[in-house]
Amino acid sequence: DIQMTQSPSSLSASVGDRVTITCRASQGIRSSLAWYQQKPGKAPKLLLFAASRLDSGVPSRFSGSGSETDYTLTISGLQPEDVATYYCQQYSDTPRTFGQGTKVELK
Amino acid sequence: QGQLVQSGPEAKKPGASVKVSCKASGYMFTSYGISWVRQAPGQGLEWMGWISGYNGNTKYAQSFQGRVTMTLDTSASTTYMELKSLTSDDSAVYFCARMALPGYFDFWGQGTVIIVSS
Repeated sequence: DIQMTQSPSSLSASVGDRVTITCRASQGIRSSLAWYQQKPGKAPKLLLFAASRLDSGVPSRFSGSGSETDYTLTISGLQPEDVATYYCQQYSDTPRTFGQGTKVELK
Repeated sequence: QGQLVQSGPEAKKPGASVKVSCKASGYMFTSYGISWVRQAPGQGLEWMGWISGYNGNTKYAQSFQGRVTMTLDTSASTTYMELKSLTSDDSAVYFCARMALPGYFDFWGQGTVIIVSS
């Protein structure tokens, strides 16, 4: 199975800050990577797929980059509504696997 | 876009089985697969498996092989996930999610809480 490792596991930032979350795959996944946002008590919501493609309706302050094993989710200008846990997920191979999540809080 | 609506919460005793439904609307059901993902309290996301909306083919995660069965009723645009031999470790929120062709999950059901307790 492909292991996905996210860092950090949690972070605290101020409104307007630039926030970066990284996700590392245990083997190359050819940009077959998605990012999800999950708020407490809610289902995850797709933010990006193919490492850098924004899903419809997702604010442009969210962006993604990376290739092979290393990927990044960036929030350019953190907003209060961005407080959530973020997960990466690879779909290069089965089983689909997720990172352990990064909890983003407001400072 | 479409919508997935799941069945309600369940409380089960250890050793029992549970069957959760996921009804799709707003898109062509047979054009997409459905995956099931679970989340234990305070934990991350765990993929359980996938079923094709086209022909009912399935693929299960190794950790659930032999205990999980995914089926579908095309006429009702509904997918089912049955989990057998429940233990307290199966207490979790179970989500269904539409799987876009490459393999990511473009929208999700609201989740179904399953509690396993004696």
